[in-house]
Amino acid sequence: GENVEQHPSTLSVQEGDSAVIKCTYSDSASNYFPWYKQELGKGPQLIIDIRSNVGEKKDQRIAVTLNKTAKHFSLHITETQPEDSAVYFCAASRNNNNDMRFGAGTRLTVKP
Amino acid sequence: DTGVSQDPRHKITKRGQNVTFRCDPISEHNRLYWYRQTLGQGPEFLTYFQNEAQLEKSRLLSDRFSAERPKGSFSTLEIQRTEQGDSAMYLCASSSGGVEQFFGPGTRLTVL
Repeated sequence: GENVEQHPSTLSVQEGDSAVIKCTYSDSASNYFPWYKQELGKGPQLIIDIRSNVGEKKDQRIAVTLNKTAKHFSLHITETQPEDSAVYFCAASRNNNNDMRFGAGTRLTVKP
Repeated sequence: DTGVSQDPRHKITKRGQNVTFRCDPISEHNRLYWYRQTLGQGPEFLTYFQNEAQLEKSRLLSDRFSAERPKGSFSTLEIQRTEQGDSAMYLCASSSGGVEQFFGPGTRLTVL
């Protein structure tokens, strides 16, 4: 089955700096890679996703890159703000999406 | 609020008791998922419904766990004879048949 590894487990940056979180996956058949943001006491919120036919996707300050050959994908947050502080999860699944596997999460802290 | 809702938000029970959680998906979403999330980990897939049919169950879903979605709308997750190891956040997500899953706020279970 799919195995998703996520690094780093914690990340602290100064406000305005960039943050990068990386994930690797094992199942070459995975073709959908979402990123979720989870704030304390809340469920995960989808912030961006990418499919395997695309190498990069950007939405304002957030971008995701995918390298299918190396089986890794990354989340990039630019111009970080204190409200970006949360736990971020990557995930991977096949197109039928019955069994999405999540990474262990990265706790991002943005210091004002 | 038209998002995924879960009830209760918190549940404290004694070991050996039965508990039942409810999930109301986004209206007209035909797919519904249950996940378990322990502290410091990403969500782990438990089971999945398409309409009222339970199509997949993880091996994490022991015989003490049962889930239903009788009318293809809301779903319940019951845990019988709870154990301390069942303490976790139980998350529900729904999707409209595409790959994007939208999560509810979760039910935090504490087994004493």
